[in-house]
Amino acid sequence: NAGVTQTPKFRILKIGQSMTLQCTQDMNHNYMYWYRQDPGMGLKLIYYSVGAGITDKGEVPNGYNVSRSTTEDFPLRLELAAPSQTSVYFCASSYSTHSGNTIYFGEGSWLTVV
Amino acid sequence: GQQVMQIPQYQHVQEGEDFTTYCNSSTTLSNIQWYKQRPGGHPVFLIQLVKSGEVKKQKRLTFQFGEAKKNSSLHITATQTTDVGTYFCAGPRAQKLVFGQGTRLTINP
Repeated sequence: NAGVTQTPKFRILKIGQSMTLQCTQDMNHNYMYWYRQDPGMGLKLIYYSVGAGITDKGEVPNGYNVSRSTTEDFPLRLELAAPSQTSVYFCASSYSTHSGNTIYFGEGSWLTVV
Repeated sequence: GQQVMQIPQYQHVQEGEDFTTYCNSSTTLSNIQWYKQRPGGHPVFLIQLVKSGEVKKQKRLTFQFGEAKKNSSLHITATQTTDVGTYFCAGPRAQKLVFGQGTRLTINP
């Protein structure tokens, strides 16, 4: 009963480094999302995907890239990390946004850029 | 674009007091969802409302969807320390779910 699995859970990056946050879901959901949540703030959508091979920008895509080669996986790539990218990152998935389809979140990845 | 506004941003209550958070959308919503995020945790789905004027209850939690399907509320009766967390409403927009800013609830035992 894994649901949405994110790795790593914690990571410290130096300015200018790159890394990939991994996300996989075993619910056969079409839709996948990446959100970031700054301390005490709400959820901001970075990128989303409505199916394998399809990705689109959310509210705050700058500094990030994604790919969706399979239904299960939706990795988030940070290139040239900056302190402004210090945040908690949540991967999520759903069948769709239509009635009856809710979003399931992973447990989050805490990223600090120093 | 569609925005979902949530008030208040913060609410501190004494244990046993009631709590309400309100959600307002700039456009009509086909449905609205509510999520709870415990401190240090991830958002977890609570409920979805679909019909105009719909009211749903989960124990001490009462959820309402406005007649115009542009606003919603979550009311907690007689709060308990387990209710601590941030409550988010969310409405669909195209292929995305737009979240409100959340209401952070803290409780004095």
